[in-house]
Amino acid sequence: QQPVQSPQAVILREGEDAVINCSSSKALYSVHWYRQKHGEAPVFLMILLKGGEQKGHEKISASFNEKKQQSSLYLTASQLSYSGTYFCGTAAGGTSYGKLTFGQGTILTVHP
Amino acid sequence: DGGITQSPKYLFRKEGQNVTLSCEQNLNHDAMYWYRQDPGQGLRLIYYSQIVNDFQKGDIAEGYSVSREKKESFPLTVTSAQKNPTAFYLCASSIGLEREYTGELFFGEGSRLTVL
Repeated sequence: QQPVQSPQAVILREGEDAVINCSSSKALYSVHWYRQKHGEAPVFLMILLKGGEQKGHEKISASFNEKKQQSSLYLTASQLSYSGTYFCGTAAGGTSYGKLTFGQGTILTVHP
Repeated sequence: DGGITQSPKYLFRKEGQNVTLSCEQNLNHDAMYWYRQDPGQGLRLIYYSQIVNDFQKGDIAEGYSVSREKKESFPLTVTSAQKNPTAFYLCASSIGLEREYTGELFFGEGSRLTVL
């Protein structure tokens, strides 16, 4: 079953923060985050494995609560380049590789 | 530069015709995947292959077929049995089991198929 992302869309001004949530009804082994700009291929941001370790990438970080089967992506001090659609992908097992089930996406728009 | 090449970028097809989308990678990755993207629905897995000469159905395999005769290539055929084939198709690859898996999928730039 597809994970549910919220919110569906976010509009920010440069420098503002945002949180994107990803919730699954299934037990998860890993959560993967991707960003896709319009007309381009999705780009990998990070993976979070079962264990709850928070990961970071520049000013973008994420957490994974395996008990609640939820992950959150945190974007701080947003930049114009952060605009795009963010997808979470979930895997139920360690050998699932890229056999991910993706959420419907969250559209993030950053204005000057 | 290493990467994934998909062709064609845009394709128009008449109803009842089969069409094959090409996907080639020079990343020396073992695993390859086909995803379909529709507006507002995220990406859905069609087929995946973890090794040459082997592939598995994903969540929406009906009306599609694939082959994996070479490590570098994973073509997708959209058959006339696919009832709603108009979509954006993304091919991806990743490192396989034998090497450290980072979780990263590398995507091609996609092929947009329109059925007239």
